[in-house]
Amino acid sequence: ETGVTQTPRHLVMGMTNKKSLKCEQHLGHNAMYWYKQSAKKPLELMFVYNFKEQTENNSVPSRFSPECPNSSHLFLHLHTLQPEDSALYLCASSRGGEMNTEAFFGQGTRLTVV
Amino acid sequence: DQQVKQNSPSLSVQEGRISILNCDYTNSMFDYFLWYKKYPAEGPTFLISISSIKDKNEDGRFTVFLNKSAKHLSLHIVPSQPGDSAVYFCAARDTGGSNYKLTFGKGTLLTVNP
Repeated sequence: ETGVTQTPRHLVMGMTNKKSLKCEQHLGHNAMYWYKQSAKKPLELMFVYNFKEQTENNSVPSRFSPECPNSSHLFLHLHTLQPEDSALYLCASSRGGEMNTEAFFGQGTRLTVV
Repeated sequence: DQQVKQNSPSLSVQEGRISILNCDYTNSMFDYFLWYKKYPAEGPTFLISISSIKDKNEDGRFTVFLNKSAKHLSLHIVPSQPGDSAVYFCAARDTGGSNYKLTFGKGTLLTVNP
């Protein structure tokens, strides 16, 4: 248990569906992240929120839309996805404001787009 | 262009022996390095880190070595145990940057045989 909880753990969606991934952290952290892990690729950073402000959008297509209503919650809204978007989506958090800290990851959401 | 490279996709060692996992980086601005361990169906968990002002950091059975001139770091696990079998990710951060982005390698699958 890392203190970062992601729901759902598994999601199958059609290309015309709209769904959301949820992440919640109970660590008092101020920075939250979305990462994507595709097969045989490094973890790819998608978005960074620091003190609820988006500080990084790593050229992510607009069919992925993040939302950070407060420091403890992070969402990833999905719409009109493509099969190649199937991957493990990982949420992470860190203290923020302090550079030399590690990020704590959730267990991930395994997304399959059909 | 991959800035963090783990050139060995897999490594197999005998229980009790030393495991050495290697990582190379290309970005000279990276100054903080981390190792994460990942079991199947779980998110990565933080293992050990090292700042660029050091060349070694030790925590129990885990030691990370940093060679800045070679832009190379390694993780030593000794003695290796079957429970260490997992994918190990090397990650790096530029702490002078304006965000808290971690850049990951592709990972190395370690198998420790009883």
